[in-house]
Amino acid sequence: DAKTTQPPSMDCAEGRAANLPCNHSTISGNEYVYWYRQIHSQGPQYIIHGLKNNETNEMASLIITEDRKSSTLILPHATLRDTAVYYCIVRRVSGNTGKLIFGQGTTLQVKP
Amino acid sequence: KAGVTQTPRYLIKTRGQQVTLSCSPISGHRSVSWYQQTPGQGLQFLFEYFSETQRNKGNFPGRFSGRQFSNSRSEMNVSTLELGDSALYLCASRSGGGEMVNTEAFFGQGTRLTVV
Repeated sequence: DAKTTQPPSMDCAEGRAANLPCNHSTISGNEYVYWYRQIHSQGPQYIIHGLKNNETNEMASLIITEDRKSSTLILPHATLRDTAVYYCIVRRVSGNTGKLIFGQGTTLQVKP
Repeated sequence: KAGVTQTPRYLIKTRGQQVTLSCSPISGHRSVSWYQQTPGQGLQFLFEYFSETQRNKGNFPGRFSGRQFSNSRSEMNVSTLELGDSALYLCASRSGGGEMVNTEAFFGQGTRLTVV
């Protein structure tokens, strides 16, 4: 599975959009981009995933560049409860394993 | 529906002892994975089970083992505990197996193991 690079930390003002970048320059055509977050002392929570098209759900939007070498997770209106560690994960489509390889993630601090 | 349930939530053990942790997946989910989280190493994959068979294993010593029962519940066991085994152990369940690898994983709250 491709490796990902994320900034270690970011701040965001409450109510503003939080844009979390992820670099996955070695991604291959059969790999998805997944985002999870982990609020302190809880298990990781699935946010969104995508292959090459932009995706949106009730939690966030995922923007994947045309060359697929990077992506951005967007929380449109960040709240204090969005303070968490955000993990960008690249995973193969094929195969029969659900293994997730977590990096160090980005610690997002939402400030009032 | 109920989420992933891990028991116990907290555990204190002595070096050299063994421990068994339990995970009940979401009803209908057949795939269960285990992860270890420590401040130094982050979240690391331990193993994955589907239909009572281990499908994938991470890079951990043989002291770490697991199994899955016919009702999809899973247990992991750590024998001869070491101080470095102190960690948050997380279980995740997915609805699919086989080619359904794009179903998202749902994590439990974890078991906090402290080895003294």
